[in-house]
Amino acid sequence: NAGVTQTPKFRVLKTGQSMTLLCAQDMNHEYMYWYRQDPGMGLRLIHYSVGEGTTAKGEVPDGYNVSRLKKQNFLLGLESAAPSQTSVYFCASRPQSPPGANVLTFGAGSRLTVL
Amino acid sequence: GQSLEQPSEVTAVEGAIVQINCTYQTSGFYGLSWYQQHDGGAPTFLSYNALDGLEETGRFSSFLSRSDSYGYLLLQELQMKDSASYFCAVRDRDKLSFGAGTTVTVRA
Repeated sequence: NAGVTQTPKFRVLKTGQSMTLLCAQDMNHEYMYWYRQDPGMGLRLIHYSVGEGTTAKGEVPDGYNVSRLKKQNFLLGLESAAPSQTSVYFCASRPQSPPGANVLTFGAGSRLTVL
Repeated sequence: GQSLEQPSEVTAVEGAIVQINCTYQTSGFYGLSWYQQHDGGAPTFLSYNALDGLEETGRFSSFLSRSDSYGYLLLQELQMKDSASYFCAVRDRDKLSFGAGTTVTVRA
């Protein structure tokens, strides 16, 4: 049982390049999230999805886009990367109903550096 | 919106007890949860409270007071492997927002 898988694990980009981070979960979870983590700032929510075909903005959505065409996949895109987007990105998922509704399962993270 | 406050650092010796407090503000409340993260790793779930009171899971316990918008994580019988960052997170219906984290350092 793989849980939540993120690809790639590491990436270096130049300013202005684009890229997509892929998140895949095999737990049939309805909810999926993208967070970024910077030193001393905890996890900040970028975008999230409450089900296949739906997406919504979190607290720091600017410069990112997302898509959820299939229930198991949640893609995070950077159209024109900026150095301020250098961060560690975590994908997470959870079921809709209690008791698991408060339990996020995280991927291993994707470390992105923008030069 | 949502906001959470927790201490930035705590240091304790092996075998001690540590309490990490978390106060929160949220427009809707569906639960307070706690996560552990070791350096270079992903956050992992520890405990959650949806109702007032204490939840015990082995050496870790979590407490919630909804009227005070307050909770805490209690780490007992500290071990070296407990050195990590600990995050509280509050859920409104759809989103989970995290505090900035508390770094716990366990000394021999």
